[in-house]
Amino acid sequence: DIQMTQSPSSVSASVGDRVVITCRATQDITSWLAWYQQKPGKAPKLLISAASSLQNGVPSRFSGSASGTHFTLTISSLQPEDSGTYYCQQGHSFPFSFGPGTKVDIK
Amino acid sequence: EVQLLESGGGLVQPGGSLRLSCAASGFTFSTYAMTWVRQAPGKGLEWVSTVSTSGVTTYYADSVKGLFTISRDNSKNTMFLQMNSLRVEDTAMYYCAKAYTPSSRAFDSWGHGILVTVSS
Repeated sequence: DIQMTQSPSSVSASVGDRVVITCRATQDITSWLAWYQQKPGKAPKLLISAASSLQNGVPSRFSGSASGTHFTLTISSLQPEDSGTYYCQQGHSFPFSFGPGTKVDIK
Repeated sequence: EVQLLESGGGLVQPGGSLRLSCAASGFTFSTYAMTWVRQAPGKGLEWVSTVSTSGVTTYYADSVKGLFTISRDNSKNTMFLQMNSLRVEDTAMYYCAKAYTPSSRAFDSWGHGILVTVSS
């Protein structure tokens, strides 16, 4: 089974800061990687699919990239509404799996 | 507009059973694989199970294999999760989710979630 790790587990940053979240897979998943944002009490929201494809309506300050089994989600200029927990998910092979999450707080 | 509405959750004793439903609308249900994802209180997301468009092929997390059964009724635009021999560790919010394209493995539409509590 493919395991997903994420770092950091939490980050506190100021409005306007650049935030980078990393996700690593234990084996090759090509580009079958998605990123989600979840706010307390709400369902997850898909931000990026296929490692770097931004979903319609998601602000362009969000971007995704991939290098082998290493993936990154970048928020180029953090906004107050970006607080929440971010998860990566591999869809390369069953059983699908999520990373443990990264909590983003605004200072 | 895509809508997914879960139902069937509640409080059940350990060893008991529940059947969750996910009623779908706003898209051609029969052309999308459907998935259940759960989240224990204060914890992260856990993929639980996926059913193919026809319902013939199913996939399960090791943690629920042999205990849960996923199915669908395309004539009623509804997906199900039969949960047997429930354990305390199955306590979670259960979400149904749809892939954002028929060939995608990322989930762009989610229900609001339904709470399952396993406790004596």
